[in-house]
Amino acid sequence: DAGVTQSPTHLIKTRGQQVTLRCSPKSGHDTVSWYQQALGQGPQFIFQYYEEEERQRGNFPDRFSGHQFPNYSSELNVNALLLGDSALYLCASSLGLAGGSYEQYFGPGTRLTVT
Amino acid sequence: GQSLEQPSEVTAVEGAIVQINCTYQTSGFYGLSWYQQHDGGAPTFLSYNALDGLEETGRFSSFLSRSDSYGYLLLQELQMKDSASYFCAPLSTGFQKLVFGTGTRLLVSP
Repeated sequence: DAGVTQSPTHLIKTRGQQVTLRCSPKSGHDTVSWYQQALGQGPQFIFQYYEEEERQRGNFPDRFSGHQFPNYSSELNVNALLLGDSALYLCASSLGLAGGSYEQYFGPGTRLTVT
Repeated sequence: GQSLEQPSEVTAVEGAIVQINCTYQTSGFYGLSWYQQHDGGAPTFLSYNALDGLEETGRFSSFLSRSDSYGYLLLQELQMKDSASYFCAPLSTGFQKLVFGTGTRLLVSP
């Protein structure tokens, strides 16, 4: 049973560039959430996708956008990168919206460094 | 609005029992989840309380009091591998997102 996978593992980008991170959910899951985790902090919710639509969004600017594909995999795009975007980006999958989101399965994350 | 409070750090010795408290203010509160995260690792789900009372899962138990907006995670028979950060994460009705605070860093010593 494949768990949540993310790619790439690490990424180094320059300010102003754009980045795309990818996530494949756990087998059988249909909902994908993205989180940003700065060093020493808890994960901060970016947004959640279900049925290929953004269902919930946290306090992140429009530079952060995403997509979910018919196979439930998802992408996170960040435009015009800032130094403050350097963080661990976590993808989490769950089954359904109501009631299922309390138990989310997290991927290993993508470590993004912006220089 | 929302607020979440946990102790920043807790220390204990192997074999001991430790309790990590969590107080929250969450609009439309639905339930409380607990996650563990080792340094460099991903958060992993530990426990969930939707109703008041104690939920037991092996060495770990979680408690919720909705009237007090309070919960705790109880870890028994501590092992070195339990050294990690622990996050309580409230879930809101209609908002299918987990809200994490800064977490509690647990250090278990021999």
